[in-house]
Amino acid sequence: QKEVEQDPGPLSVPEGAIVSLNCTYSNSAFQYFMWYRQYSRKGPELLMYTYSSGNKEDGRFTAQVDKSSKYISLFIRDSQPSDSATYLCAMSAGVGGANSKLTFGKGITLSVRP
Amino acid sequence: DTGVSQDPRHKITKRGQNVTFRCDPISEHNRLYWYRQTLGQGPEFLTYFQNEAQLEKSRLLSDRFSAERPKGSFSTLEIQRTEQGDSAMYLCASSLGHPGTQYFGPGTRLLVL
Repeated sequence: QKEVEQDPGPLSVPEGAIVSLNCTYSNSAFQYFMWYRQYSRKGPELLMYTYSSGNKEDGRFTAQVDKSSKYISLFIRDSQPSDSATYLCAMSAGVGGANSKLTFGKGITLSVRP
Repeated sequence: DTGVSQDPRHKITKRGQNVTFRCDPISEHNRLYWYRQTLGQGPEFLTYFQNEAQLEKSRLLSDRFSAERPKGSFSTLEIQRTEQGDSAMYLCASSLGHPGTQYFGPGTRLLVL
């Protein structure tokens, strides 16, 4: 079993829909949780970052972390065709040394239909 | 452009050849990471530098791989005697201390024929 599991895709939604993306993890040492967006043939772009459990909102994006369930989510409100991309969850155990390396989920490809 | 840059963006090589990639991190970022991403997968950690010191290497980094970061600025990743299984996107990221703020470059896409 991989350390980070991400819901399989692809996912297709109509414009304006609320999108829910999820990841689970097995390593209880993870404390920092991130969502990256990656367009085709580009590098990942940091979208959201959360430390420990809780919620964080940034515009149309909300990140949630439930450490007790080892479950993280990203919600996208009022989805737009420009949100069509691959979304990757990532996490790390700490801020220094080897703990700062990121462990990624497999990624899910989202398509928002106009 | 003050982001992470990588060169070349694409590289096609024949099996058995050596290749070298370069990464220029965001100015003043003291931490630099290399990841590898294959089709349909998330990036996998390869190695990590803090300033010029290489502090961590993944078991994915076989003896054919070597990375350097002289003077704690740019970094190079060399693959010797390339194999078809080395075909992937090689990503570089840099950070100023906090793991939540690793910024990625555009990647170098390697194809080994």
